Amino acid sequence: SAVISQKPSRDICQRGTSLTIQCQVDSQVTMMFWYRQQPGQSLTLIATANQGSEATYESGFVIDKFPISRPNLTFSTLTVSNMSPEDSSIYLCSVVKGAGGELFFGEGSRLTVL
Amino acid sequence: TQLLEQSPQFLSIQEGENLTVYCNSSSVFSSLQWYRQEPGEGPVLLVTVVTGGEVKKLKRLTFQFGDARKDSSLHITAAQPGDTGLYLCAGARTGNQFYFGTGTSLTVIP
Repeated sequence: SAVISQKPSRDICQRGTSLTIQCQVDSQVTMMFWYRQQPGQSLTLIATANQGSEATYESGFVIDKFPISRPNLTFSTLTVSNMSPEDSSIYLCSVVKGAGGELFFGEGSRLTVL
Repeated sequence: TQLLEQSPQFLSIQEGENLTVYCNSSSVFSSLQWYRQEPGEGPVLLVTVVTGGEVKKLKRLTFQFGDARKDSSLHITAAQPGDTGLYLCAGARTGNQFYFGTGTSLTVIP
């Protein structure tokens, strides 16, 4: 299994500012994933964070808007840049562990942009 | 655009009833998983299916993977209030990347 801690758990931000979300895992993992979720809706994969290389972004997400750092095998950050109300969402960090490829998630960071 | 479409999107049933949730895609996945999520928490894995046609049972929950590995279903027998939550299917592609379905919000009324 994996225990994932995310900070902040929630924040209210002003339009045009940036916020960095931190994700700490209790064990070393090769890949970390960042998802976005509107309350009550499904998860959309933003990017895959690989240690030692640039993150891989999904269609519709770009590095300038969502820069990601992955300084070591247990930590990653996602920055939401130049925020607008449309960025209000829950951002989730996850990792894959185990032979069966189970996804483990942090509790999420709920972001509200005014 | 979600690769996996779930139906129904919302479901509200009485305790004791049966229900089926469907997860459909035009893409083939190496494996498919079902997760349940409660408010304020991340999704938690229920089951992984890998082989086309595979059926797995977990107490009152029965999961099936389509023969072509493009679709799946979740059947709950005698639903209980504790089954309430957001059910998500997720298909695995290369590189351990998972793509989630559109979600089914289930409410079981006591």
